[in-house]
Amino acid sequence: EDQVTQSPEALRLQEGESSSLNCSYTVSGLRGLFWYRQDPGKGPEFLFTLYSAGEEKEKERLKATLTKKESFLHITAPKPEDSATYLCAVQAAGTASKLTFGTGTRLQVTL
Amino acid sequence: NAGVTQTPKFRILKIGQSMTLQCTQDMNHNYMYWYRQDPGMGLKLIYYSVGAGITDKGEVPNGYNVSRSTTEDFPLRLELAAPSQTSVYFCASSTPTGGQETQYFGPGTRLLVL
Repeated sequence: EDQVTQSPEALRLQEGESSSLNCSYTVSGLRGLFWYRQDPGKGPEFLFTLYSAGEEKEKERLKATLTKKESFLHITAPKPEDSATYLCAVQAAGTASKLTFGTGTRLQVTL
Repeated sequence: NAGVTQTPKFRILKIGQSMTLQCTQDMNHNYMYWYRQDPGMGLKLIYYSVGAGITDKGEVPNGYNVSRSTTEDFPLRLELAAPSQTSVYFCASSTPTGGQETQYFGPGTRLLVL
């Protein structure tokens, strides 16, 4: 059974204080690892897809990395508008693109 | 493109009532999905479809039904609503072309069963 564990559950940062969110996974044949951002009362918004160990992707203050067992979402010099829940999901090979999600990390960035 | 749209945004049901959650996408995606999200839990897959006329169960299908008569629409039917179906429901779509299988989500339907 595919599993995704995210840590920490919640993280409070001051503006400019960099940190990382962790996503550990077990999957039978990784097809892709996805990061989404979810604001309160909204649907998940796609951020990144990573396909193989060693791959990295960046978008503004966010950088996602992937190893064979986990992924990190690095947040550099965060701003209050980065406050959201960040979701990690894995897609196994041959599963009609189905995703298995973690429970998310709730990030709050304060001034 | 509007992307994935869902109606209604919010609904209160009494126990035993039925309703249909609507989902439409205008991206010509083949695959569509229904998830539910409960507090402190990850999104759980209810049903999915790989094309018109083809549907299959996900992780938590009990108490729900789906149909897919067109590429654009993927309604989710709740029969005999129960308090355990109180949740936020998200529809998503994707298309497996060019190695990109990203799922795009709608804004969600919040359902309260009393």
